[in-house]
Amino acid sequence: GDSVTQMEGPVTLSEEAFLTINCTYTATGYPSLFWYVQYPGEGLQLLLKATKADDKGSNKGFEATYRKETTSFHLEKGSVQVSDSAVYFCAALGAGSYQLTFGKGTKLSVIP
Amino acid sequence: DAGVIQSPRHEVTEMGQEVTLRCKPISGHNSLFWYRQTMMRGLELLIYFNNNVPIDDSGMPEDRFSAKMPNASFSTLKIQPSEPRDSAVYFCASRPGQGDNSPLHFGNGTRLTVT
Repeated sequence: GDSVTQMEGPVTLSEEAFLTINCTYTATGYPSLFWYVQYPGEGLQLLLKATKADDKGSNKGFEATYRKETTSFHLEKGSVQVSDSAVYFCAALGAGSYQLTFGKGTKLSVIP
Repeated sequence: DAGVIQSPRHEVTEMGQEVTLRCKPISGHNSLFWYRQTMMRGLELLIYFNNNVPIDDSGMPEDRFSAKMPNASFSTLKIQPSEPRDSAVYFCASRPGQGDNSPLHFGNGTRLTVT
């Protein structure tokens, strides 16, 4: 079956630091890829997505590029803010599938 | 759009009691999912409905768990009898269709504590 592996947390950064959260996947065919963010006490919210190789998803200063050759979808942000503190989930949706496969989540804390 | 609405937000109950969690998906969304989130196991898919029909309930942990979707705008997840190990955050999520690449929309969850 499909699987998603993302870097273990927690990650603690100072404000304005560069963020990378690694994510790799295994899936048959070409899945759609997603990053979700979960703020404390809330459900998961879609942050960005990419549906085919070399697509770049972006939102709120975050970016991720669908790399078929390395089966990766790493999340990056050039300058994090305290308000970015949350748990980030990478997810894959296999072609024709109904079920999203989630990574275990990476908790990010940004300190002033 | 009000998003996916779940109730209650918090539920505290004693072991052995029946618990019912409720979900209203986004209007027009044909697919509905129930997830459970714990520190130990992360996000687990419990059951998936498409057009109000249960398609995959292989994630339902035990017969104590049951889910229904009587119409397109309402679903319930019931635990009877509840046990302390059922304590978790339960999320409902919906998306427009089956087999497309549209993202899931999550509710804010129900935090269940069984004492």
